Amino acid sequence: GAVVSQHPSRVICKSGTSVKIECRSLDFQATTMFWYRQFPKKSLMLMATSNEGSKATYEQGVEKDKFLINHASLTLSTLTVTSAHPEDSSFYICSASADPTDTQYFGPGTRLTVL
Amino acid sequence: LAKTTQPISMDSYEGQEVNITCSHNNIATNDYITWYQQFPSQGPRFIIQGYKTKVTNEVASLFIPADRKSSTLSLPRVSLSDTAVYYCLVGDMSTGGGNKLTFGTGTQLKVEL
Repeated sequence: GAVVSQHPSRVICKSGTSVKIECRSLDFQATTMFWYRQFPKKSLMLMATSNEGSKATYEQGVEKDKFLINHASLTLSTLTVTSAHPEDSSFYICSASADPTDTQYFGPGTRLTVL
Repeated sequence: LAKTTQPISMDSYEGQEVNITCSHNNIATNDYITWYQQFPSQGPRFIIQGYKTKVTNEVASLFIPADRKSSTLSLPRVSLSDTAVYYCLVGDMSTGGGNKLTFGTGTQLKVEL
């Protein structure tokens, strides 16, 4: 149980384009989903917390207009990197929990490369 | 958010028991302690979680002293496939706590033959 998927697993795009990453909880309903970013050989950094049906809460320093998060259903959250630039190249990982009192389960990650 | 401190790296050999200790001096009453394992280019995988005393599952044990200011992840008889980064995290899992996790540097465990 507690499986979280992400799509795509890797994406390469041109600078200036927008990229959407999907995060799905496959066998449970996730009221809360989190988005993280991880640079090579670094730890995960929380970008935002997403609760189903409400606006995401962004961490300090994360541009909400650049990283659009939508959590429209209890099994799906999307992260859209708008007008991507090479510095946005990173490993993006989502996690999901059934509720705030439950363990977070992580997706496999999405490797974004912006040329 | 409670900050955690772990050794940057550890080396071990196959078949040995590995104990990774994490310090979390500012842990709050509602914080749980969770350990994750991460392989390169993969998302973290849940290992074990606890609040106090000892927790054991099929892959690991977690020891938490009474003051909860530290915890120790114990991996019995490691194999080469246990080579990974291990993260210790604390998070408020009370209703309304949000369960935000702050990842520290983690411990790079290297297992050799």
